[in-house]
Amino acid sequence: KAGVTQTPRYLIKTRGQQVTLSCSPISGHRSVSWYQQTPGQGLQFLFEYFSETQRNKGNFPGRFSGRQFSNSRSEMNVSTLELGDSALYLCASSYTLGATNEKLFFGSGTQLSVL
Amino acid sequence: AQSVSQHNHHVILSEAASLELGCNYSYGGTVNLFWYVQYPGQHLQLLLKYFSGDPLVKGIKGFEAEFIKSKFSFNLRKPSVQWSDTAEYFCAVRLSTGGGNKLTFGTGTQLKVEL
Repeated sequence: KAGVTQTPRYLIKTRGQQVTLSCSPISGHRSVSWYQQTPGQGLQFLFEYFSETQRNKGNFPGRFSGRQFSNSRSEMNVSTLELGDSALYLCASSYTLGATNEKLFFGSGTQLSVL
Repeated sequence: AQSVSQHNHHVILSEAASLELGCNYSYGGTVNLFWYVQYPGQHLQLLLKYFSGDPLVKGIKGFEAEFIKSKFSFNLRKPSVQWSDTAEYFCAVRLSTGGGNKLTFGTGTQLKVEL
């Protein structure tokens, strides 16, 4: 079956703009998590959605937001972009909210460059 | 604050050498532990995980890890590495209950295996 699909693959934006990233989870998966990956900070958790509700949130400013639709697809939005937002944004999906022996499946990510 | 430390940022080994990558965590509560691998140009994928039971867990491609609760460690090992093991390795931790899929990752270890 198809894996986690993230679009677009690459994005170039300028400071002050906003951006929306999309994630389609594996069919049947209801949990979608977002992570930011940078060379200096590694992977940092942004938020997790399950059944259209945000269930967990990381330590990112309010400029980072997300939502999940009834078909489990998720979008992440970053407003008022800053240079430091340049990163690889990863989406991961799973069936549930971290049940025993469950694992996350990651997408290939969206590489965002802020100029 | 919850944190994960990976002691080795860059490791270079010759084929057939043994590998051990260190991972220590600081977490209040019962945890689940993971090692993820990111091969060049590929998405992040699960190598192995520990939820409970036998503290020595075996994963894909001959990797294993040992959970030592008293040392808050979850070191990754492989007796004999191959050139194809060249990749970045991430240790990750999450709360076993209530944490959903919120993973805290270490900053990663870049492994290069030379022929």
